[in-house]
Amino acid sequence: DTGVSQNPRHKITKRGQNVTFRCDPISEHNRLYWYRQTLGQGPEFLTYFQNEAQLEKSRLLSDRFSAERPKGSFSTLEIQRTEQGDSAMYLCASSTGTDWTEAFFGQGTRLTVV
Amino acid sequence: KQEVTQIPAALSVPEGENLVLNCSFTDSAIYNLQWFRQDPGKGLTSLLLIQSSQREQTSGRLNASLDKSSGRSTLYIAASQPGDSATYLCAAGGATNKLIFGTGTLLAVQP
Repeated sequence: DTGVSQNPRHKITKRGQNVTFRCDPISEHNRLYWYRQTLGQGPEFLTYFQNEAQLEKSRLLSDRFSAERPKGSFSTLEIQRTEQGDSAMYLCASSTGTDWTEAFFGQGTRLTVV
Repeated sequence: KQEVTQIPAALSVPEGENLVLNCSFTDSAIYNLQWFRQDPGKGLTSLLLIQSSQREQTSGRLNASLDKSSGRSTLYIAASQPGDSATYLCAAGGATNKLIFGTGTLLAVQP
C-alpha cells in the first residue's frame, strides 16, 4: 500500500459548477477525515467517517458540501454550486480505529474556482 | 474549544544550526500531539507523534517534547540542512483523533 491517495491533484472550475474529489485511504484504516486548507493557514477539520458512518461534520461544511464513504473504503467529497471562497486545498487523512494513533495525509486536491 | 498557536510564524537560519519550533494549545485534554511537514503545494508528511502519556519522541535529527500541564510542545531540529526548508505544522489530537492545527512555522535554511 502506497499511502493515502487523492484524485484529482488539481481542479479548476467555473463558479456555479459542481465538483467531486476522491480519497482512497490506507487499506486497513477504518477512520477517514477531510480537511480544508487555505493559503497561509493550517488545515481545518471538515468531516470524519468511522467505516461507512459519517460521525461528525464541522459547521464549515455548508449544505453545498456532501461527503460519502459508501463501503467503508474510498470516500468522495462533492461541492455543489461552487463559489470563489471554496478555492482551497482539500486534504484527506486516514488512521486506525483508536484515538491515539498517527494520522496519515494524502497529497491533497487543489481547487481553484474562477 | 481547542486553539493551537505556533511561534514563530517564520524562521530563517544558516545551515548547520540547531533550532526549536514552538507550539502551544489551550486545552490540555489531548490524546496526542502530532508534528507535520508541508512542502509548498503538497500534502502533509507526519514527522512525530507524541501520545498524551509521553514526554518526548525522537526520529533522526528531530526531537519533539510535550508538556500537557503547560500546554506546550516543541520540535527540535539538530544540524539543520537546506532540505529541511518547509512549513512545520503541529496538531493537537482530541477524541476520535480529530486534529486541530496551528498556522505553522515557515522554515528557511540558508546554505
